[in-house]
Amino acid sequence: AAGVIQSPRHLIKEKRETATLKCYPIPRHDTVYWYQQGPGQDPQFLISFYEKMQSDKGSIPDRFSAQQFSDYHSELNMSSLELGDSALYFCASSLLGFNYGYTFGSGTRLTVV
Amino acid sequence: DAKTTQPNSMESNEEEPVHLPCNHSTISGTDYIHWYRQLPSQGPEYVIHGLTSNVNNRMASLAIAEDRKSSTLILHRATLRDAAVYYCILSRDYGQNFVFGPGTRLSVLP
Repeated sequence: AAGVIQSPRHLIKEKRETATLKCYPIPRHDTVYWYQQGPGQDPQFLISFYEKMQSDKGSIPDRFSAQQFSDYHSELNMSSLELGDSALYFCASSLLGFNYGYTFGSGTRLTVV
Repeated sequence: DAKTTQPNSMESNEEEPVHLPCNHSTISGTDYIHWYRQLPSQGPEYVIHGLTSNVNNRMASLAIAEDRKSSTLILHRATLRDAAVYYCILSRDYGQNFVFGPGTRLSVLP
């Protein structure tokens, strides 16, 4: 079965650079969620989209932005990267209103040096 | 948001049942109870969810107290691959983001 695809798997950036993380949800899933997980921490919700519109916002820094495109894939854009942005970034997708669990991708490991 | 409380860690022997408790005394009538687990360096993985009745699937069982203030995730026969952090999460409805708490780190001993 198709899963949530995230790219790239690993990314190394320097401070003050920008990064773009991509998420391809399970086909027909209409909702995408982004989470950040720092070393030794629990996943923290950043932002979500339903039908290409932002549906909820968590502790996402102003330096980050995200959007969901017409094909339902989503991108998380991160600018002016800081060392503290080094983390695992997970994307999850779901089909709103149906009795399914959320499916998470394998994540993108971002290292800021 | 309603909060959940779980033990920080638990240990189990391989091939024995494991009961992972979760307290959610402030749960509302429309909150679903979800369980996810996360293996090292992997994304969280759906385990099971329920509303009022006990639930079973191929991975686990979920026992929900009658007053819904607590629930227990049951792994019938723990394997080494079940070693993970298990999260109990409440969600008001689908589409609402999940708030991950500290979870329970399960160790499985051979």
